[in-house]
Amino acid sequence: KAGVTQTPRYLIKTRGQQVTLSCSPISGHRSVSWYQQTPGQGLQFLFEYFSETQRNKGNFPGRFSGRQFSNSRSEMNVSTLELGDSALYLCASSVNPGQGQETQYFGPGTRLLVL
Amino acid sequence: AQSVTQLGSHVSVSEGALVLLRCNYSSSVPPYLFWYVQYPNQGLQLLLKYTTGATLVKGINGFEAEFKKSETSFHLTKPSAHMSDAAEYFCAVRTGGGNKLTFGTGTQLKVEL
Repeated sequence: KAGVTQTPRYLIKTRGQQVTLSCSPISGHRSVSWYQQTPGQGLQFLFEYFSETQRNKGNFPGRFSGRQFSNSRSEMNVSTLELGDSALYLCASSVNPGQGQETQYFGPGTRLLVL
Repeated sequence: AQSVTQLGSHVSVSEGALVLLRCNYSSSVPPYLFWYVQYPNQGLQLLLKYTTGATLVKGINGFEAEFKKSETSFHLTKPSAHMSDAAEYFCAVRTGGGNKLTFGTGTQLKVEL
């Protein structure tokens, strides 16, 4: 079974632009979560989607948004990019959200550099 | 709110020596606890998890961790380090419903000959 895939793997943007990152979960997984990883702030939860609905959201400004499609694929969008948005963005999937034994499987990440 | 503290941002051990990576959690409800490993330029790979039941949890690559409620700890150990264990290790906690994981700041493990 294929793992979580994220595209693109690397991205360079300039300040003020917007960016869309994509995540395809493991087949059969319906929950997708997004995390931002930076050297200064570490791993921080962005949001979680299940059945096309946002279930939970972290403490990020409204410039960060996401969505989930009926096939469970998810996208996240960052508008009006700032230098501080440079980070590794990780996507994780699981069968269901937070059901006891549930394990989240992480993708390789998209590394975003904002110049 | 839950939180995780990993003591020691960098740990160095000799090949064949015991690996001990420390993790303490704070949670007002019974936690689910996880250890993930991250190799350079890769995502996170689950090493092991504690949800309920046995407090000594065995994971992949010879790692294990023990949930100690009285000490609010979930330290990761491996009896004998291998060069391939060099990576960054993250402890994480999840409470209640949903999939939100709260991560520690990570421990970079270096294995020396």
